[in-house]
Amino acid sequence: ETGVTQTPRHLVMGMTNKKSLKCEQHLGHNAMYWYKQSAKKPLELMFVYNFKEQTENNSVPSRFSPECPNSSHLFLHLHTLQPEDSALYLCASSQAGRLYNEKLFFGSGTQLSVL
Amino acid sequence: DQQVKQNSPSLSVQEGRISILNCDYTNSMFDYFLWYKKYPAEGPTFLISISSIKDKNEDGRFTVFLNKSAKHLSLHIVPSQPGDSAVYFCAAKEGGSQGNLIFGKGTKLSVKP
Repeated sequence: ETGVTQTPRHLVMGMTNKKSLKCEQHLGHNAMYWYKQSAKKPLELMFVYNFKEQTENNSVPSRFSPECPNSSHLFLHLHTLQPEDSALYLCASSQAGRLYNEKLFFGSGTQLSVL
Repeated sequence: DQQVKQNSPSLSVQEGRISILNCDYTNSMFDYFLWYKKYPAEGPTFLISISSIKDKNEDGRFTVFLNKSAKHLSLHIVPSQPGDSAVYFCAAKEGGSQGNLIFGKGTKLSVKP
């Protein structure tokens, strides 16, 4: 298994659908992240979990709902999304808590299209 | 307003020559900087980092230079290879375990044979 695995790789959904993105890390890390990458924009941090506790919610609309049942798994539940939410959603993990060692390990991402 | 800026969306370089990717930042509290590389259909992967106590860090063909007074850093790739063709993201964070990475928009590097 690779370090950080995301499923599905591609997702097409209508605005009334409910879907979930899944992320799993096999690196023994204790922090997990959701990032959004839109065309011609920087990677935007959405949520951070440290030791399963949400420590950051970067003003993300409530139609995105994260869940972190344990330090290896992270979900992003989606409902009533808008077309402008179409983007690449990246999961990452890190060994948090150590100065100067916040290297992130990313999954391959889920390319989401909202119709 | 963007705290980390990569003003060149793309760069084209001949194989064997030097590639220089630039990054500017506005937050003087940033003290740790990283470069990530991203191939299509893959997530970004860590490339090289530098802390603010240094002005240069080298790893094989990759060197990062930091100019704190100018709030500028650059990534040098020498010699450039076609396999280096990718999008390169600059990222920065404030000191301490609570700081989160702030990314730039990325620069797409094309290395031509």
